[in-house]
This record gives sequence, structure tokens and C-alpha cells, in this order.
Amino acid sequence: AQSVTQLDSHVSVSEGTPVLLRCNYSSSYSPSLFWYVQHPNKGLQLLLKYTSAATLVKGINGFEAEFKKSETSFHLTKPSAHMSDAAEYFCVVSAGGYQKVTFGIGTKLQVIP
Amino acid sequence: DVKVTQSSRYLVKRTGEKVFLECVQDMDHENMFWYRQDPGLGLRLIYFSYDVKMKEKGDIPEGYSVSREKKERFSLILESASTNQTSMYLCASSAVDMGHTYEQYFGPGTRLTVT
Repeated sequence: AQSVTQLDSHVSVSEGTPVLLRCNYSSSYSPSLFWYVQHPNKGLQLLLKYTSAATLVKGINGFEAEFKKSETSFHLTKPSAHMSDAAEYFCVVSAGGYQKVTFGIGTKLQVIP
Repeated sequence: DVKVTQSSRYLVKRTGEKVFLECVQDMDHENMFWYRQDPGLGLRLIYFSYDVKMKEKGDIPEGYSVSREKKERFSLILESASTNQTSMYLCASSAVDMGHTYEQYFGPGTRLTVT
């Protein structure tokens, strides 16, 4: 069994300030975890993934996420928000090796100039 | 550059019509997926195919069927469209390896409106 909870449906930050998008997961097995981004009227694009290697994962566009097993969390961060980061972000979990994944409901990030 | 393409970006159909949504990937991936995306609900899996002619139901298969006759093509069929099937439909594909979950590559989506 697997599930994922994105703790905020909307996050608003000012340009140049840090971004934190929160994600908690539940998995019966060692999980694979992903963050995807979706810009308006576009498909989803992979930002980064965790598959049991290093717990701090670096992705594209300056994003990173840390796998914390004790907290069952996989929060997404970026030191300085850019206007182009405004999009919807999805946290995704899969019980290790399982081909079907479970998506969170998404977090819409607004970046204020 | 990897590519997943969907036959239409926008589609308007009438209640009761049979609707075909086509998806093609050029990455020789074994796995293909159909999701629907609705505000506040995230992405929900409709059907999944792990090989030609093989399929598995997802979380919300009712009212849908699928076809995979060739490895690169995965079709979603709405047998008799209803207004509650108005949604964004996303196709995805991924590689497969025992014990490893690979990332999925997504098409741009088809926004279907059923009137």
C-alpha cells in the first residue's frame, strides 16, 4: 500500500525568497519518490527522483529534496524563487519496484514579483 | 529528445458518443499509462499497460477501456461519453526493470469536454 499527502494546496512566495513545498508519504516497502512540475496547459515534467541512493536529491532548475525516513517526508526546496517557477507541483510515491505510482493532489506555487 | 504525443489537445464530444484518445511514445518503453486530472484530485490512474495486449485496471476504470496493439501506441476509449468524463486526460510512458520504478514521461494532455 502507498499514499502521499501534500500538505499545502497553495503556496505563495515573493521572488527571490526560499520555496518549501511539503510532502509526506506512506509506503509498505522502501519507496521511490518523485517530484513533477506542471506549467499551465502543459504535461508533467520530472524535477527530481529518490530511489534509495543519496538522501539529498538535486533536480533541475535549482530544486532539491531531502528523503527523511524517520519523518516519512520528502519536501521540495529551492533557495530563491523565480517567476518561472510559478506552476503546480506533484509529489509521487511508489512502493519500491512497483510500476504503478500514486500522485499527491498537487501544490500550486504562486511567485509574487 | 524523448517524446510522448497525444492525438488532440482539445476535444468536444456529445453525451453518448464513442471517444478515442490516442497516445504514441517513441522511447520503446514497456509501460504506458492513462490518467485523468481534475482540480483538487491530482492525477488518478485509469488504466496501465505493461506490454502489448496486456493491461491492468487502475483506480477509476469504470466507463473506460484501452487498447494496446503496438508497443508505441496506447489508446483510451470512452464507450459512451458522459458529462462526468469531462476532464484533462494525460498519457505517460516509462521503462521497466524488476525492483526499480522509473520516472514517467508525459504527453501534453487532451482536454475533453462532453456536452
